[in-house]
Amino acid sequence: DVKVTQSSRYLVKRTGEKVFLECVQDMDHENMFWYRQDPGLGLRLIYFSYDVKMKEKGDIPEGYSVSREKKERFSLILESASTNQTSMYLCASSLKRVGYNEQFFGPGTRLTVL
Amino acid sequence: SQQGEEDPQALSIQEGENATMNCSYKTSINNLQWYRQNSGRGLVHLILIRSNEREKHSGRLRVTLDTSKKSSSLLITASRAADTASYFCATAFSGTYKYIFGTGTRLKVLA
Repeated sequence: DVKVTQSSRYLVKRTGEKVFLECVQDMDHENMFWYRQDPGLGLRLIYFSYDVKMKEKGDIPEGYSVSREKKERFSLILESASTNQTSMYLCASSLKRVGYNEQFFGPGTRLTVL
Repeated sequence: SQQGEEDPQALSIQEGENATMNCSYKTSINNLQWYRQNSGRGLVHLILIRSNEREKHSGRLRVTLDTSKKSSSLLITASRAADTASYFCATAFSGTYKYIFGTGTRLKVLA
């Protein structure tokens, strides 16, 4: 059974903390994505990676960075968490040919920044 | 603005009825996909329809695509309480890595 897993389902952090969200996929997919989901705004792409050590900014990269040192793992980093980063974070992966393949999503991490 | 916009935003029906939700988009696409999200969970892929296809079926799901109107519809027949979820369309177009998601339709199926 194919799987995308995320390190935490729920996370509570304080303003200014550095936060790591981790995502692991076991499907040998080339592409991995980080989205945030907010009510009324749908899913917005934060970052995308198409290969190890390769990344592209999405629509809302400010305040975030990413790391992909291994093919199966894609990490999202909040350098200094702020309250406006309270959200649901979703990781996804897909085969290489972007736009032609379905995305597989993890269960999500609900992050609260106090 | 969002590439995909779902309509209606919310839908409430009785078990056994059909549910129809629509998606409109703005630019030419390679394909359009529908996803389901149960409350507080990740998204699950339902069906993909390519730009050269007009209709596709998967079990109780029927998807249509009208590229001239830049719109798609998802029909769930004989709905069940377990179909209660949010449904999103996602569009993908050539020359980009992005899937653009709409804001979703919240479907509630009453037993």
